[in-house]
Amino acid sequence: EIVLTQSPGTLSLSPGERATLSCRASQSFSNNLLAWYQKKPGQAPRLLIYGASRRATGIPDRFSGSGSGTDFTLTISRLEPEDSAVYYCQQYFDFQDTFGQGTKLEIK
Amino acid sequence: EVQMVESGGGLVQPGGSLRLSCAASGFTFSNYWMQWVRQAPGKGLEWVANIKHDGSVTSYVDSLRGRITISRDNAKNSLYLEMNSLRVEDTAVYYCARVRNWNDGSWGSDYWGQGTQVTVSS
Repeated sequence: EIVLTQSPGTLSLSPGERATLSCRASQSFSNNLLAWYQKKPGQAPRLLIYGASRRATGIPDRFSGSGSGTDFTLTISRLEPEDSAVYYCQQYFDFQDTFGQGTKLEIK
Repeated sequence: EVQMVESGGGLVQPGGSLRLSCAASGFTFSNYWMQWVRQAPGKGLEWVANIKHDGSVTSYVDSLRGRITISRDNAKNSLYLEMNSLRVEDTAVYYCARVRNWNDGSWGSDYWGQGTQVTVSS
């Protein structure tokens, strides 16, 4: 089973700043198999990025993904108050489609 | 419009059973893998199980294997999760999600239901 470790646990930034969220895997896999989600309380998860770097339909270009192998990054530029949420990465490599533990992003 | 609506959650005593359902519409259900994901109170998202479009392949999280069964009925556009020997720690919101495989080989879950609450308590 691939373990995904996200960092930092919590990120507190101001509107207009850039957020950099990390997702590190316990073993290497194709970057096609990494997705990022946004989760707000009381709402279903929302797909942001699939294939490590492809934005899902309707996702603003402030959201971007990068990385390969074992290290993946979600970058949110020009933060807005509505970006306050918990962000999760998920891998689809080995049918055990594990999530990272999440990064909580707080907008000051 | 793609929609998924979960049902079947509720309050159950430890050791009890539940069958969750997910009714899908707005897309060709039989073309997609599907998954169940849960979120316990104050915790993160946890992948629970997935199933191939024709039901021929299923996978489960280690901590639940042997107590749950994922299944689907493509004729009814429905996904199911049978849960037995429920424990207090199984209390969570359970989501169903469509797993999409894009032409370039990328994967992601692009549509989710709103979730159904399962509470295990005496």
